[in-house]
Amino acid sequence: QKEVEQNSGPLSVPEGAIASLNCTYSDRGSQSFFWYRQYSGKSPELIMSIYSNGDKEDGRFTAQLNKASQYVSLLIRDSQPSDSATYLCAVPSFNMLTFGGGTRLMVKP
Amino acid sequence: KAGVTQTPRYLIKTRGQQVTLSCSPISGHRSVSWYQQTPGQGLQFLFEYFSETQRNKGNFPGRFSGRQFSNSRSEMNVSTLELGDSALYLCASSIGTGGNEQFFGPGTRLTVL
Repeated sequence: QKEVEQNSGPLSVPEGAIASLNCTYSDRGSQSFFWYRQYSGKSPELIMSIYSNGDKEDGRFTAQLNKASQYVSLLIRDSQPSDSATYLCAVPSFNMLTFGGGTRLMVKP
Repeated sequence: KAGVTQTPRYLIKTRGQQVTLSCSPISGHRSVSWYQQTPGQGLQFLFEYFSETQRNKGNFPGRFSGRQFSNSRSEMNVSTLELGDSALYLCASSIGTGGNEQFFGPGTRLTVL
């Protein structure tokens, strides 16, 4: 079992819809969780950090954390074509930051 | 505050050569991690340096090596280049080690011919 798992996608949503990206992790001791966005040919950019159970909202982005289920998600409201990218989940595991394989999101006009 | 910088941005080498990539972290950040990313592959962790010491190492052959200087700048070296080493090499800096949030540089795109 991989330490951080994401559905590779692509996840296709129409413009204006809510995109839901999911991530599961194996290390129960993880205390912080990060979402990165990576456009094609570019480097990953940190877009959300979440440290406690529940929801954290930042503009159109909401991160949701459920430690009991070892599950973290990213919701993107009012999806725009410019949101089309690969989204990487990252979780500290065994004293290092471990990245999932990423989910490719496509927002269609 | 300036972000993470990497030099060079693009590099073309031939098989058998060696290459050195450089990374300057965000001011005040003491940890530098290196990743390799190839098309269709996720981020493959190479190694992490903190206070000039290698703290973690990924599953790469010994041809891949790195070091960190007292000013936290880091270099990675790949010797005896192979075609499969063509990739985007990313450097990320963080305040500390152990899984803190990381901030990525723009990457160095290496092409091996």
